[in-house]
Amino acid sequence: GAVVSQHPSRVICKSGTSVKIECRSLDFQATTMFWYRQFPKQSLMLMATSNEGSKATYEQGVEKDKFLINHASLTLSTLTVTSAHPEDSSFYICSARAPTLNTEAFFGQGTRLTVV
Amino acid sequence: GDSVTQMEGPVTLSEEAFLTINCTYTATGYPSLFWYVQYPGEGLQLLLKATKADDKGSNKGFEATYRKETTSFHLEKGSVQVSDSAVYFCAPTNTGNQFYFGTGTSLTVIP
Repeated sequence: GAVVSQHPSRVICKSGTSVKIECRSLDFQATTMFWYRQFPKQSLMLMATSNEGSKATYEQGVEKDKFLINHASLTLSTLTVTSAHPEDSSFYICSARAPTLNTEAFFGQGTRLTVV
Repeated sequence: GDSVTQMEGPVTLSEEAFLTINCTYTATGYPSLFWYVQYPGEGLQLLLKATKADDKGSNKGFEATYRKETTSFHLEKGSVQVSDSAVYFCAPTNTGNQFYFGTGTSLTVIP
């Protein structure tokens, strides 16, 4: 089946620094990728949708200058948390879709970000 | 946009008990319906899906039927196991659209 790989799985960074999270589709071309943030009590919030070669579409309330998303190729999207603060600590999950794979979305294994 | 309402958790069951997790949705057109499962510390995995009305999705003993008249897609399993302990997410989606998830339902199965 289709595989989405997310890296790193865990990262700890200092306040004020930036962190990049990568999301790769390993065996299919992902025309669309999504980034989610998971809050305590498991609520999943869609942050943004990115299409290859174009700017990401951010959900209301998500700061695009803080959460930079780049979808430079059909197999890679990156989320950069800029000037991270402790309140950015969370579990971030990416997912990817491909038109040839019907409507299903494939999810990465998630990244646990801790800002100290 | 699409939205989903799921049964509030957490749910705690004894092994071999019957499980139902309710899910109702709002969506435009004729969405496909999905149940995803998240095991501790991991991302989401597809559990089952149904793409049109009256379809039944099934996997690993879990079932859900696409009920367009009641806009529901309730998840059921006849006999749960400890290994089923996880968080379950219901989501409708149309092709090319985003998945909007609700809060999910946490299930704990005790021996």
